[in-house]
Amino acid sequence: KNQVEQSPQSLIILEGKNCTLQCNYTVSPFSNLRWYKQDTGRGPVSLTIMTFSENTKSNGRYTATLDADTKQSSLHITASQLSDSASYICVVSDRGSTLGRLYFGRGTQLTVWP
Amino acid sequence: EADIYQTPRYLVIGTGKKITLECSQTMGHDKMYWYQQDPGMELHLIHYSYGVNSTEKGDLSSESTVSRIRTEHFPLTLESARPSHTSQYLCASSASDRGPAETQYFGPGTRLLVL
Repeated sequence: KNQVEQSPQSLIILEGKNCTLQCNYTVSPFSNLRWYKQDTGRGPVSLTIMTFSENTKSNGRYTATLDADTKQSSLHITASQLSDSASYICVVSDRGSTLGRLYFGRGTQLTVWP
Repeated sequence: EADIYQTPRYLVIGTGKKITLECSQTMGHDKMYWYQQDPGMELHLIHYSYGVNSTEKGDLSSESTVSRIRTEHFPLTLESARPSHTSQYLCASSASDRGPAETQYFGPGTRLLVL
């Protein structure tokens, strides 16, 4: 069964600290993996996208890694800011159909305290 | 900021009413999607469209219907709302000519409460 599991479910950190969010998936065949940020009451916004051959991708203070062999990804946030408080969703796309089916994790709810 | 819009943003309605959730995008994307999301849960695809006059049901069974008469417009309709329809509905669009880099852009969502 194609699944995407994220951990931790929720995380609280102090402003300025770093954190790492985890994503494990069983989606096959694999096409790409995205991390989205979803602010409360808003739609998700894409942060990074990685294909099979990419190990790491950065977007400002966000750095995503991918290990396609172990089917694991992480999102590292450096020097956190209050505006980083949001849900971070891992999304994996398969190659099994022309639609490019997306599998969504439940997200990690990050809260950054001053 | 993606150019995809949803109205209304919030809707409280009584059981049995007919409702239409509006979604429009100005990016010229050929693909559009509707997702349902409950608090703390993953997004579930309920409808999608490859282009004008093309609509398909997604993975999550839904009593809603959709139409795609214009490229930029993808409304979702519930003929008779029930409390079980209470949820957040997210509309998204993407361009199919981007290959593996194809990214879905999401609207702000409509929070529906059926009493």
